[in-house]
Amino acid sequence: GNSVTQMEGPVTLSEEAFLTINCTYTATGYPSLFWYVQYPGEGLQLLLKATKADDKGSNKGFEATYRKETTSFHLEKGSVQVSDSAVYFCALGVINMDTGRRALTFGSGTRLQVQP
Amino acid sequence: DAGVIQSPRHEVTEMGQEVTLRCKPISGHNSLFWYRQTMMRGLELLIYFNNNVPIDDSGMPEDRFSAKMPNASFSTLKIQPSEPRDSAVYFCASSTHRGFETQYFGPGTRLLVL
Repeated sequence: GNSVTQMEGPVTLSEEAFLTINCTYTATGYPSLFWYVQYPGEGLQLLLKATKADDKGSNKGFEATYRKETTSFHLEKGSVQVSDSAVYFCALGVINMDTGRRALTFGSGTRLQVQP
Repeated sequence: DAGVIQSPRHEVTEMGQEVTLRCKPISGHNSLFWYRQTMMRGLELLIYFNNNVPIDDSGMPEDRFSAKMPNASFSTLKIQPSEPRDSAVYFCASSTHRGFETQYFGPGTRLLVL
């Protein structure tokens, strides 16, 4: 089946530190990969995405590269800010070729805490 | 655009009572999703609709849960009777069919069943 594995949190960093949140996946077919972010008290929102191997998604200083050979989609940011404190979800989107049904599978989320 | 609208934002009820959660998707979106989020189980997809028709309800926990989408601009998730283990944050999300994976989430309803 399809699944997403994320590193457990919380990840605690000082402001301006480098961030990496690991994400690996298992999927049949050719999935698209996503990072969503959930700020305190809010719903999830799409941060970035990549639809095929070697694509790099980027937004707000965050980046992730779709690595098919390692089945990974690690999230990185060169210099985090206090305002980046949130929960980050890696997700995988697939289409079932037999049924045509589409599904978005989320990881368990990784909490990031950035201290001033 | 107002985004996905959910009501109520908070609900406290007693075990055995009926709970109805409401959602208004973004205009023009034809896919609608109900999720439940808890510390123990993370984010779970309960059901999703496409063009008002339920497509996948395999995540609905049991018969106490039901969801409807009578038109393109309104959906409900009902729990009857409610139990303490239903306490969670319930999110509604919507998307276009073409942009299925780009889902726009509402602010959630925080439900507490005593």
